[in-house]
Amino acid sequence: QKEVEQDPGPLSVPEGAIVSLNCTYSNSAFQYFMWYRQYSRKGPELLMYTYSSGNKEDGRFTAQVDKSSKYISLFIRDSQPSDSATYLCAMSVGAGANSKLTFGKGITLSVRP
Amino acid sequence: ETGVTQSPTHLIKTRGQQVTLRCSSQSGHNTVSWYQQALGQGPQFIFQYYREEENGRGNFPPRFSGLQFPNYSSELNVNALELDDSALYLCASSLFSQIYGYTFGSGTRLTVV
Repeated sequence: QKEVEQDPGPLSVPEGAIVSLNCTYSNSAFQYFMWYRQYSRKGPELLMYTYSSGNKEDGRFTAQVDKSSKYISLFIRDSQPSDSATYLCAMSVGAGANSKLTFGKGITLSVRP
Repeated sequence: ETGVTQSPTHLIKTRGQQVTLRCSSQSGHNTVSWYQQALGQGPQFIFQYYREEENGRGNFPPRFSGLQFPNYSSELNVNALELDDSALYLCASSLFSQIYGYTFGSGTRLTVV
């Protein structure tokens, strides 16, 4: 079993739709949770990050963490064609010497105009 | 100059050869991490360098090695290339202990034939 599992894709939605992206994890030592967005031929860029369970909102994006269920989600409201990219969840046990990121497989999102 | 720069952008090598990939870290960052991203997969942690020393390593064989230089730039060396080494190699720079502060480069696409 992989440490981080991400819902398989690809995902295609119409412009304006609400998108829900999900990951589960098995390592209860993970403390830091992130969502990265990766456009074609580019490196990942940090979109959202959170440490605690609960919701964190930034504009059209909401990150949700449920540590008791080992489940994280990213919600995108009013999706735009520019949101079309691959979304990767990432987690870390700690910072410093343990600051390696463990990524999910990624899901490719396409937002149709 | 800001951002992480990787070179070359693309590379084709023959099985058994050796390759060196280069990374210039973002201004002000002192830590460099390398990740391997196979097609359709999330990035996998190879190793991290801080103060010119390896500071954490993922599940990669010793033929993957690296260096960090006093200006915080870095190299990834892979010996005895195998077909499965074909992937996008990503460099990320950060400040030590700032797990949310990773800046990724656009990567080097390595093809082993």
